[in-house]
Amino acid sequence: GENVEQHPSTLSVQEGDSAVIKCTYSDSASNYFPWYKQELGKRPQLIIDIRSNVGEKKDQRIAVTLNKTAKHFSLHITETQPEDSAVYFCAASNPGTSGSARQLTFGSGTQLTVLP
Amino acid sequence: DGGITQSPKYLFRKEGQNVTLSCEQNLNHDAMYWYRQDPGQGLRLIYYSQIVNDFQKGDIAEGYSVSREKKESFPLTVTSAQKNPTAFYLCASSLLTSTNEKLFFGSGTQLSVL
Repeated sequence: GENVEQHPSTLSVQEGDSAVIKCTYSDSASNYFPWYKQELGKRPQLIIDIRSNVGEKKDQRIAVTLNKTAKHFSLHITETQPEDSAVYFCAASNPGTSGSARQLTFGSGTQLTVLP
Repeated sequence: DGGITQSPKYLFRKEGQNVTLSCEQNLNHDAMYWYRQDPGQGLRLIYYSQIVNDFQKGDIAEGYSVSREKKESFPLTVTSAQKNPTAFYLCASSLLTSTNEKLFFGSGTQLSVL
C-alpha cells in the first residue's frame, strides 16, 4: 500500500518568513495530494490540494508543488502569520474506481509555529 | 463544517467493555470515514462507507466495527478486542465526485481507558 513520509515534524519560523513542508509518497499510481491544517483543539480542514496532471497550484499565500518523477510534493506558505500556527498533514491517494471513496494515506504531521 | 457532529467529546472505556462513538452528518454526503489519530502520527483509516448498508475495512480495522443503516449516520464501536484504544477518533464525510474530494471532519472524540 501507499506510504507517505512527512518532514520536518516541527518547524518554527519568524513571522513574515516562509515555511516549507515536504512529503514523499511510495505509490506511483497516486494522483491526488491534499493538505489539511489542524489548529489546536480543532478539526482538520482542507487548505489546498493538487492532482497529478499539474505541477503547481497557488491560493494566496499558500502553494503546493508536485514532482511526480521523484514522488514528492511540498507545501509552501509565504509571509507567515501567527494564525498559520497549526499542525499540517499531507496525504496521498490513488484513483481507485470511478465514484468510489478515496482512501487517503496521511503523513505524520508537521507542527508549525510562527513566532511573532 | 458544522454539518458533521461527533459525540461524545470525551469517552472512557473499562477493561472488556465495548463503547460506541457517534457520527452524524446533514451534508447529504455519500461517503463516511473513521480515522484514528495518535500523538506524533498521521490519521489512520479504520473503516469507510460509500453507501448505506455497505462498508470496507481501512488500514487498522482490527478491534473495531461499524454500521451504516442510514446515510446520515456511521457509528464506530471499539470492541474489547482493541487492546490499545486510547486515541483521538475523527469521523469525516465527503461527496463521491471526481472534482470535489474534500473531507469534512467532525470535532472528534477522545477515548481513554480507565
